[in-house]
Amino acid sequence: GEDVEQSLFLSVREGDSSVINCTYTDSSSTYLYWYKQEPGAGLQLLTYIFSNMDMKQDQRLTVLLNKKDKHLSLRIADTQTGDSAIYFCAEISTGANNLFFGTGTRLTVIP
Amino acid sequence: NAGVTQTPKFQVLKTGQSMTLQCAQDMNHNSMYWYRQDPGMGLRLIYYSASEGTTDKGEVPNGYNVSRLNKREFSLRLESAAPSQTSVYFCASREGTTYLNTEAFFGQGTRLTVV
Repeated sequence: GEDVEQSLFLSVREGDSSVINCTYTDSSSTYLYWYKQEPGAGLQLLTYIFSNMDMKQDQRLTVLLNKKDKHLSLRIADTQTGDSAIYFCAEISTGANNLFFGTGTRLTVIP
Repeated sequence: NAGVTQTPKFQVLKTGQSMTLQCAQDMNHNSMYWYRQDPGMGLRLIYYSASEGTTDKGEVPNGYNVSRLNKREFSLRLESAAPSQTSVYFCASREGTTYLNTEAFFGQGTRLTVV
C-alpha cells in the first residue's frame, strides 16, 4: 500500500497552536483527509483538501498542503483540552477504493 | 439516526475459536469497509464491499472472510482466531464506490482480544 507517515505524539499547552504533520508517498493522491479519534470512539472526519489546493481554513483548523514535498499539516488554533485525541491523516487516489491512513498522532493538551 | 452500528463492542476469544463481527448502517450507503487498528500502524483495510453483492480484499485479508448480506449489513468472520488478530476493528460506510470527497462514517469499534 501507500506510505503515510506521522509522528506518534504531540503535547501542547491549552491556548497554544498545535501543528500535526503528515507525509505521503503517492504522487497521484487526489484527496487528503484529517480524521479525529476520541478515546473509545470511531473516527470522525475533520476536514479534507483536494490535491490542487494549497490551503484550506475551517474555523480553528488550517490545512496546508505542499504537493512538491508531499507534506500535509493540520494546524489547530487556540487548542483546547477537548482537542486531545488521535489525529489521522489519510489519502486516496483517483480510481482507488481505499483510504490509506497514517499511523495517527496522539495530541495531548496540557491545561 | 444511528449511523454505523457495530456489535459486539468487546470480545475475548480463545485461539482457534470463530466469531462474526456485525456491522449495519442506516444511511443507504453503497460502500462498506472493515479496518483493523493496531498501535503505531494506523488503520489497515481488511475487506471492502463497493456495492451489495460484491466484496474485495484489502491490504490484510488473510484469516478473515466477509459477507455483504444486504445493502445495510456487512459482517466480518474470523474462522479460527489467532493472537495476531487481537486488534480494534472498525466498520465504515460511505456513499459511492470511491472515497473521493464524500465522507466515510465509522462505527464505534470492536475491541477483540485473542488469548
